Amino acid sequence: GAGVSQSPRYKVAKRGQDVALRCDPISGHVSLFWYQQALGQGPEFLTYFQNEAQLDKSGLPSDRFFAERPEGSVSTLKIQRTQQEDSAVYLCASRHPVTGVSTDTQYFGPGTRLTVL
Amino acid sequence: RKEVEQDPGPFNVPEGATVAFNCTYSNSASQSFFWYRQDCRKEPKLLMSVYSSGNEDGRFTAQLNRASQYISLLIRDSKLSDSATYLCVVTLVYNFNKFYFGSGTKLNVKP
Repeated sequence: GAGVSQSPRYKVAKRGQDVALRCDPISGHVSLFWYQQALGQGPEFLTYFQNEAQLDKSGLPSDRFFAERPEGSVSTLKIQRTQQEDSAVYLCASRHPVTGVSTDTQYFGPGTRLTVL
Repeated sequence: RKEVEQDPGPFNVPEGATVAFNCTYSNSASQSFFWYRQDCRKEPKLLMSVYSSGNEDGRFTAQLNRASQYISLLIRDSKLSDSATYLCVVTLVYNFNKFYFGSGTKLNVKP
């Protein structure tokens, strides 16, 4: 079946602009995650949803970052007043089932590469 | 201190060689462990989970050493297609929803 999809794949923004990044998880996957991956680094956790509930947003770097998943499927990560340090690849991942056995893995989308000029 | 540390490499090995990577973790409450593979400009993909007793999948063997707080990945008979960055992932017992990634170890397999 289809994997996790993300759009746009590439986004160039001028400093100060707002951006919105979309994630379509694997159908039926209850859990959804956002990560930020800077060049040469591993992904860093941003936030986690179970259905529409945002259960962990401890990784969001500032109040300029906001994520939502209003109907428990598609999610949007919004970055307000973008800064150059926001330049990174933003990865979305999803996971099933809801019982969340600790060995359940996460499946990643291709990411959105954000460049802030 | 980072939760997970990896040698960034690169490890440059000839085809057919055996290569091993280690990954150390700092939190003794770490519960689940994975190895992911990431090709250049692609998303991470699960290579294998790491179980307490160690596990093998074809040419790949993963081991966990809780006493010394590290996990390892051994690749036998390296193929050109094994060239990638290998990411170590750890979760904590009280929050297995949060993946902690290492920075990755780059492997180049040469003909």
